[in-house]
Amino acid sequence: QKEVEQNSGPLSVPEGAIASLNCTYSDRGSQSFFWYRQYSGKSPELIMFIYSNGDKEDGRFTAQLNKASQYVSLLIRDSQPSDSATYLCAVNTGGFKTIFGAGTRLFVKA
Amino acid sequence: DAGITQSPRHKVTETGTPVTLRCHQTENHRYMYWYRQDPGHGLRLIHYSYGVKDTDKGEVSDGYSVSRSKTEDFLLTLESATSSQTSVYFCAISESGQLSGANVLTFGAGSRLTVL
Repeated sequence: QKEVEQNSGPLSVPEGAIASLNCTYSDRGSQSFFWYRQYSGKSPELIMFIYSNGDKEDGRFTAQLNKASQYVSLLIRDSQPSDSATYLCAVNTGGFKTIFGAGTRLFVKA
Repeated sequence: DAGITQSPRHKVTETGTPVTLRCHQTENHRYMYWYRQDPGHGLRLIHYSYGVKDTDKGEVSDGYSVSRSKTEDFLLTLESATSSQTSVYFCAISESGQLSGANVLTFGAGSRLTVL
């Protein structure tokens, strides 16, 4: 059973701080890794994806991938109250099937 | 929303009745998916389609069937709804099904189904 594990949270950080969200996956054959954001009552939307070891930055967001440790993380710098949402980690092993974690709820306190 | 429309957006039905959810897309994407989302489980793939009349099962396909007779429409049918199928159902599309770059999913707004 391929799994993607996330801490359900909630993770609470003050405004302006760095939020760190973590994810582990079980299938060593996984090839691409995604972070989606989902506001309450809304559909998931892509923040970014990564498929090479190391860091990938996009504005205030940085995704980090360590395939040896089977670990993916998302850092949100200068967190804003509008970042409060559930963050879904997702993993694709190639082909059509993307496996999602259950998500981490993030609260950014003003 | 990448031209993805789900209908109905909300439905309440009774156990044993058939239910069909529709996903309509306007951008001629080849790959379409149906996911369900439940608390504590995240999103789970029910079925997917890689072309007209080409569909396959996902990880939670029991009790569900799909059809795709036109590129723009992907239908999810619950032949005889059960309370365990109470969920939020999301349709998604991707530009690429195989890994050429990344299989980025774009989701519709979701359909909330309650089976009493």
